[in-house]
Amino acid sequence: QKEVEQDPGPLSVPEGAIVSLNCTYSNSAFQYFMWYRQYSRKGPELLMYTYSSGNKEDGRFTAQVDKSSKYISLFIRDSQPSDSATYLCAMSVGSGGSNYKLTFGKGTLLTVNP
Amino acid sequence: SQTIHQWPATLVQPVGSPLSLECTVEGTSNPNLYWYRQAAGRGLQLLFYSVGIGQISSEVPQNLSASRPQDRQFILSSKKLLLSDSGFYLCAWSVQFQDSFTDEQYFGPGTRLTVT
Repeated sequence: QKEVEQDPGPLSVPEGAIVSLNCTYSNSAFQYFMWYRQYSRKGPELLMYTYSSGNKEDGRFTAQVDKSSKYISLFIRDSQPSDSATYLCAMSVGSGGSNYKLTFGKGTLLTVNP
Repeated sequence: SQTIHQWPATLVQPVGSPLSLECTVEGTSNPNLYWYRQAAGRGLQLLFYSVGIGQISSEVPQNLSASRPQDRQFILSSKKLLLSDSGFYLCAWSVQFQDSFTDEQYFGPGTRLTVT
């Protein structure tokens, strides 16, 4: 079983739709969770960061973490064509010691059609 | 504010030729630095990370090497490229605090390498 599973898509939605992107993980030691957005041929850009179960909102984006189910989600409200990108989830143990690594999902390709 | 630079942006090299990719970070001191490779359908693969000058940890055995000659400079090298080295190479940095650390990593624009 892979540590982080993410549906690769592609996911195609009309403009204005609510988008739900999801990742599941198997390592219960993961404590910190991130979502990155990557436009074609560009480096990933950090979108959201959270370390507790529950919801965190930033504009049209909401990150949700359910540690009991080992499941994280990113919701995009009122999706725009400019949201078309690959979305990567990432997580880490966050031991504060020698573990500096992030474990990434493979990414979900999202297209928002005008 | 912090910025991260990578060059070159694109590179086409023949098999067996050497490689040198450079990454520099501005606006922060003593960052953690990372090299990743992203191949189609395979996600982000961590190649090397560094917590200080001259301190390099390798994640994947291969014909690549990394060096950190200065605090904010990270270099990825190879003596002889293989076809399988083709991919999108990303440098990233994160803040390093003594006794704790933050997990957020910030990526550069990447170098697209094609080995022919």
